[in-house]
Amino acid sequence: DAGVTQSPTHLIKTRGQQVTLRCSPKSGHDTVSWYQQALGQGPQFIFQYYEEEERQRGNFPDRFSGHQFPNYSSELNVNALLLGDSALYLCASSRTGPNQPQHFGDGTRLSIL
Amino acid sequence: GNSVTQMEGPVTLSEEAFLTINCTYTATGYPSLFWYVQYPGEGLQLLLKATKADDKGSNKGFEATYRKETTSFHLEKGSVQVSDSAVYFCARNTGFQKLVFGTGTRLLVSP
Repeated sequence: DAGVTQSPTHLIKTRGQQVTLRCSPKSGHDTVSWYQQALGQGPQFIFQYYEEEERQRGNFPDRFSGHQFPNYSSELNVNALLLGDSALYLCASSRTGPNQPQHFGDGTRLSIL
Repeated sequence: GNSVTQMEGPVTLSEEAFLTINCTYTATGYPSLFWYVQYPGEGLQLLLKATKADDKGSNKGFEATYRKETTSFHLEKGSVQVSDSAVYFCARNTGFQKLVFGTGTRLLVSP
């Protein structure tokens, strides 16, 4: 049973470019959340998708957008990249419902030059 | 507000020593509490959780008890191993399964 898979593993971009990160949730999971983890920090919640809709959002600008597909996989898009967007981007999936634990992928390391 | 505070690291221990990593939270209501572990180059793995006051979560020799009166969820292990070296994150949930994390505590265990 595959867990949460993310692609690509690493990515290098330059300022002003756009990037798309991808996530496949664990089998049986229908909710996908995205987190940004800066070096030496804890993950920060970006947004969450359920039933192909953004259900809640953290304190991130509109440059960060996402999508969920009918098969529950998800994409994170970031436009107009800034140096400060360099981070590890983590995808987490879960079944919807109270107290359901979130399972994390290994992340995409995004470096902005 | 909703926040999580962890003790700063690194925590440096010898193998077989006793481990405590402190975690406190602020919250409205009664959140579920979690400890996640992150090994180098990897994502986060759920270590243990507790969903209500006085619950004790345990896994792989690690334990943490949900203390409502002190708003704490300290992580403990009686005898650490070199393989336990990692970064440990305390977290609480809020809203629809949104997690709020502490800043993480690095544990270094030497032989």
